Amino acid sequence: NAGVTQTPKFQVLKTGQSMTLQCAQDMNHEYMSWYRQDPGMGLRLIHYSVGAGITDQGEVPNGYNVSRSTTEDFPLRLLSAAPSQTSVYFCASRAGGNTEAFFGQGTRLTVV
Amino acid sequence: GQQLNQSPQSMFIQEGEDVSMNCTSSSIFNTWLWYKQDPGEGPVLLIALYKAGELTSNGRLTAQFGITRKDSFLNISASIPSDVGIYFCAGRTTGTASKLTFGTGTRLQVTL
Repeated sequence: NAGVTQTPKFQVLKTGQSMTLQCAQDMNHEYMSWYRQDPGMGLRLIHYSVGAGITDQGEVPNGYNVSRSTTEDFPLRLLSAAPSQTSVYFCASRAGGNTEAFFGQGTRLTVV
Repeated sequence: GQQLNQSPQSMFIQEGEDVSMNCTSSSIFNTWLWYKQDPGEGPVLLIALYKAGELTSNGRLTAQFGITRKDSFLNISASIPSDVGIYFCAGRTTGTASKLTFGTGTRLQVTL
């Protein structure tokens, strides 16, 4: 039972570098989301998708891009990393209707 | 962006004690959720509430969906050391797909 798999678990970037955080789910869930978690702030929604080919912005989308070419994958791209993007990133997925989200184990990103 | 007010921020309790925490919002939610996060892991769903006034239990955990739909409570009875972690509330409104609004978390530490 893989559930929601995020890679990498840890990453250090230099300011200005780009990278992609990977998220894959094997539960055939329609909905997928990316959150960031910062101390004392809970989880904040970055981007979400309600199905393949459909994405939308969440609460804190600036500096991040997403795409959803398949049901299984929902990568998060940082085009030019900034220290303010140092955070723990969580991907989540859920089926439709009144079902709740499963979260991945997170990616801890540090931008220096 | 909106965040839910969750209290207390942290608490130290002795094993065997009961614990209460709550979450309040200035907006109405149609679903209230409670998650637990262990160190280095993603949040795991504990209880989901879908109806105002609903009281739901999951083992030693009991949660209530406030009648005003602007608050929710989580109680843990007879705490044990493995209850240690961060507890998050989250609210969702109808029609917002996978968008959850999270509380700031309650850090629970249990002493023997």
